Amino acid sequence: SAVISQKPSRDICQRGTSLTIQCQVDSQVTMMFWYRQQPGQSLTLIATANQGSEATYESGFVIDKFPISRPNLTFSTLTVSNMSPEDSSIYLCSVGQLNTIYFGEGSWLTVV
Amino acid sequence: AQTVTQSQPEMSVQEAETVTLSCTYDTSESDYYLFWYKQPPSRQMILVIRQEAYKQQNATENRFSVNFQKAAKSFSLKISDSQLGDAAMYFCAYRGDDKIIFGKGTRLHILP
Repeated sequence: SAVISQKPSRDICQRGTSLTIQCQVDSQVTMMFWYRQQPGQSLTLIATANQGSEATYESGFVIDKFPISRPNLTFSTLTVSNMSPEDSSIYLCSVGQLNTIYFGEGSWLTVV
Repeated sequence: AQTVTQSQPEMSVQEAETVTLSCTYDTSESDYYLFWYKQPPSRQMILVIRQEAYKQQNATENRFSVNFQKAAKSFSLKISDSQLGDAAMYFCAYRGDDKIIFGKGTRLHILP
């Protein structure tokens, strides 16, 4: 199975600032996904990060708020822009491999 | 659109006993994958077990097994010989042609 490293694992952010989360995979993967998990909730897909093209965003998520980069087949970043307390969540990077989805450790962001 | 339903928000089981977590789903696709993920307090999503829809045989991983009823669109998880380390949120998930969809989760408590 793929080994996925996410940074930062946890951060406290000031309202109005932006934070970039990095996701590194130990093997080349075609599909990378970014999820948000708000406190006490299930996972919600933000977008699918496509290598060499624009990310595909789910309903309710926009590129200006959650810009994503995918420069190669092993790396992606998600930026949470102009943060508000409502953005306090766990953000999870995941990859599709052999018809299974594997997750990173998650980035727990608290916006104050 | 596909949906995944976990009707048990919380469950408790005595240590060493057996517990079954329920999951139903709705889809018009014939080829898909079903998963159970465990999320302990560390927040990392850990794959517990995977089932391919085209396989009639129920998947098994050590103390974890599923009861997959394709016609009824049911995919329950059985945990045998429950251990304290099994305490976590458990998410049922569906993957069809594109994205993966998660249920709302079941919080499992293990009573010593």
